[in-house]
Amino acid sequence: DSGVTQTPKHLITATGQRVTLRCSPRSGDLSVYWYQQSLDQGLQFLIHYYNGEERAKGNILERFSAQQFPDLHSELNLSSLELGDSALYFCASSSVGGAITDTQYFGPGTRLTVL
Amino acid sequence: AQTVTQSQPEMSVQEAETVTLSCTYDTSESDYYLFWYKQPPSRQMILVIRQEAYKQQNATENRFSVNFQKAAKSFSLKISDSQLGDAAMYFCAYRSAYLTSGSRLTFGEGTQLTVNP
Repeated sequence: DSGVTQTPKHLITATGQRVTLRCSPRSGDLSVYWYQQSLDQGLQFLIHYYNGEERAKGNILERFSAQQFPDLHSELNLSSLELGDSALYFCASSSVGGAITDTQYFGPGTRLTVL
Repeated sequence: AQTVTQSQPEMSVQEAETVTLSCTYDTSESDYYLFWYKQPPSRQMILVIRQEAYKQQNATENRFSVNFQKAAKSFSLKISDSQLGDAAMYFCAYRSAYLTSGSRLTFGEGTQLTVNP
């Protein structure tokens, strides 16, 4: 158990819908990262937040957005869902945003299925 | 941009034997970190081992060790005395050591390891 929690574990929805994925980092961790794992794209970095501020963006679609709240939990919002958005979405946390030595610990992931 | 390549989609090993998984990467940076993550059927991503590019000594963690060849941009993982519980997808990952490049992990395509009893 990494100490990172993600809810829900599974999510099934229809095209065009909007969903919210939630992540709680390890106690004391200020950084949260979101990654997407799909069959055709592999594991891709989406976005990084540190202590409530966006630090870096990767291959995140405009239909996707994220935020980190004062209690440090983070939410990834996916809207106008398409079949291709079906994937496993991971959240990872680390102790210090930008500190090179920190290790990213991954949550169990949220499996999103878009029908 | 950095890229990570794992040329072995699948590997298999007999229980108690040794197996080596390959990884190459491309970067113009001189300082970075390399990682191996394991993803068992549960889909959890578990850190196996990490290597700092400035360190010449290869990292080891119990039965897991790496062969880091900086000039060749190669980072292989050796698993000794393989156990059934080692069966998983293994991902090689790169992270820059420069703040301006961010803290993102760049992953390879993965190698599916099967351990035969």
